[in-house]
Amino acid sequence: GQNIDQPTEMTATEGAIVQINCTYQTSGFNGLFWYQQHAGEAPTFLSYNVLDGLEEKGRFSSFLSRSKGYSYLLLKELQMKDSASYLCAVRDGTGYSTLTFGKGTMLLVSP
Amino acid sequence: GAVVSQHPSWVICKSGTSVKIECRSLDFQATTMFWYRQFPKQSLMLMATSNEGSKATYEQGVEKDKFLINHASLTLSTLTVTSAHPEDSSFYICSARDFGEGQYEQYFGPGTRLTVT
Repeated sequence: GQNIDQPTEMTATEGAIVQINCTYQTSGFNGLFWYQQHAGEAPTFLSYNVLDGLEEKGRFSSFLSRSKGYSYLLLKELQMKDSASYLCAVRDGTGYSTLTFGKGTMLLVSP
Repeated sequence: GAVVSQHPSWVICKSGTSVKIECRSLDFQATTMFWYRQFPKQSLMLMATSNEGSKATYEQGVEKDKFLINHASLTLSTLTVTSAHPEDSSFYICSARDFGEGQYEQYFGPGTRLTVT
């Protein structure tokens, strides 16, 4: 089975740095994704990790430790528009490579 | 990046009627598409995996006779909610993966909000 945990809500101020954690226990693993989802919209891709380590993409970075079943998404220089839900998703190792999503972390950025 | 479209973006229907939602990959061929459902303040739940030219694979607890999936071509999959009831009201999102060499990203459509009255 698949179990993905992430905090329900987080708050931060504009210009700050925030780290959103995700832990997972899955029967197979073929990569971990982070998506951003604004209310009423579809998720948009942020990052992908399949090997241990840090992937950096502009203001966003994502880290993976496969041995610990742990990932985090780091957002720097927060902007108001970053207020959204952040979804951690794990791809299994099957031929269809299905994604299992966590419940999402709602991030509220305040002035 | 690749684009996935959905139609309609929103629909309101009466209880007992059927609704069809289309999902298209616009600039790549998708042998596999995925259908998700998302209730308010909940995460995306995979309903089924749609395979071009063959039967869909449904997740446990999803009624295959109620949620009919057809993947007639490499760029089109449809989800038909039959005999819809108010509890089927939800946000339905499709996604597709380009299985080309080196591709790993899964692209999501904009979603369809279904309201059953």
